[in-house]
Amino acid sequence: GAVVSQHPSRVICKSGTSVKIECRSLDFQATTMFWYRQFPKQSLMLMATSNEGSKATYEQGVEKDKFLINHASLTLSTLTVTSAHPEDSSFYICSANPAYNEQFFGPGTRLTVL
Amino acid sequence: QKEVEQNSGPLSVPEGAIASLNCTYSDRGSQSFFWYRQYSGKSPELIMFIYSNGDKEDGRFTAQLNKASQYVSLLIRDSQPSDSATYLCAVNAGANDYKLSFGAGTTVTVRA
Repeated sequence: GAVVSQHPSRVICKSGTSVKIECRSLDFQATTMFWYRQFPKQSLMLMATSNEGSKATYEQGVEKDKFLINHASLTLSTLTVTSAHPEDSSFYICSANPAYNEQFFGPGTRLTVL
Repeated sequence: QKEVEQNSGPLSVPEGAIASLNCTYSDRGSQSFFWYRQYSGKSPELIMFIYSNGDKEDGRFTAQLNKASQYVSLLIRDSQPSDSATYLCAVNAGANDYKLSFGAGTTVTVRA
């Protein structure tokens, strides 16, 4: 299967700071990547679709000015949580599709905002 | 809004038994169907996908799709303690629409 990596795997930050999370497709190119958030004991919630070379598409209710997405190349998308607050603490997961239909997930980034 | 519903569980089965997971979806135009396994604290891992009506087998896993009934299921045969996880059903529209709609997941516990 295709490999998607994320960095960092875990981050702790103070309230008000910004945090950047990187998502990379290691063995394929991805024109589209997806960003999800998962709170404890809940299912995945799609936040946005990251499109290489163009603006991200955000799901309803997701603040685009708070969650900045940059898809700089065919193998890298970044999610920046700006002015993070404790309620932003969550498990953030990216995913991508190789040329075929199946979607593969990165290992996730656990964000804790103090 | 595409809706995907799963048995809430938890589902507890003895080791060696068959675990049966069910999923229904609301969008009749859905084309592709996926089962992911998620261990606690980890990200989802793709275990099965199915596009056509009928059964698809992969090792101990069998996915069943019935588009007329808008129903997809996953059978885990000879369940092992390592199968204990949350299983997520996901659906997309296919035809280059890769966005997935997920069910809430069913937690399976296999008793040794």
